[in-house]
Amino acid sequence: NAGVTQTPKFQVLKTGQSMTLQCAQDMNHNSMYWYRQDPGMGLRLIYYSASEGTTDKGEVPNGYNVSRLNKREFSLRLESAAPSQTSVYFCASENRGREKLFFGSGTQLSVL
Amino acid sequence: SQKIEQNSEALNIQEGKTATLTCNYTNYSPAYLQWYRQDPGRGPVFLLLIRENEKEKRKERLKVTFDTTLKQSLFHITASQPADSATYLCAHISDSNYQLIWGAGTKLIIKP
Repeated sequence: NAGVTQTPKFQVLKTGQSMTLQCAQDMNHNSMYWYRQDPGMGLRLIYYSASEGTTDKGEVPNGYNVSRLNKREFSLRLESAAPSQTSVYFCASENRGREKLFFGSGTQLSVL
Repeated sequence: SQKIEQNSEALNIQEGKTATLTCNYTNYSPAYLQWYRQDPGRGPVFLLLIRENEKEKRKERLKVTFDTTLKQSLFHITASQPADSATYLCAHISDSNYQLIWGAGTKLIIKP
């Protein structure tokens, strides 16, 4: 059971560089999410997608873009990375009853 | 604004004792609360969901209570084991965008 697969696991960027974080789930879930986790803070929602073809902003969307490529895949793009985007990023999908989230293993991103 | 508070200090418990973690929320009465476990370098893993009309929920050695008057949920691990050492997160649905709001988590350390 793969669940939610996230790549890469680690990434170091220079300020101004761009990158895309990839996420795929094999549970046939409609809803998918991107969160960031910073020390001493709760998970903060960046963007979410309630279904294929739709995306919505979360609490902290500035500096990010997303693409819901199909039902399985939801990618997060940093167009011009900034040091403030240094964080751990998690992708998650949600079961149909909205009772639980399934998380990927995370991407540790450092922007120098 | 809605907020979830969890004790930021690590909780040290002797093996075999009961560990109790607290989740307090403000300004809103959520329909349910979720609890997750997070190990270092991993994504959160769902443990339990408790609804507002449920006073208590159990799963093996885990017990969650939900007091809507105190605006508090308690998470208990009985007969604690070193393998229970992890960070435990609570979350509830926001009434503004129906997405989860997360506490920062409490680190639990079970000493042999």
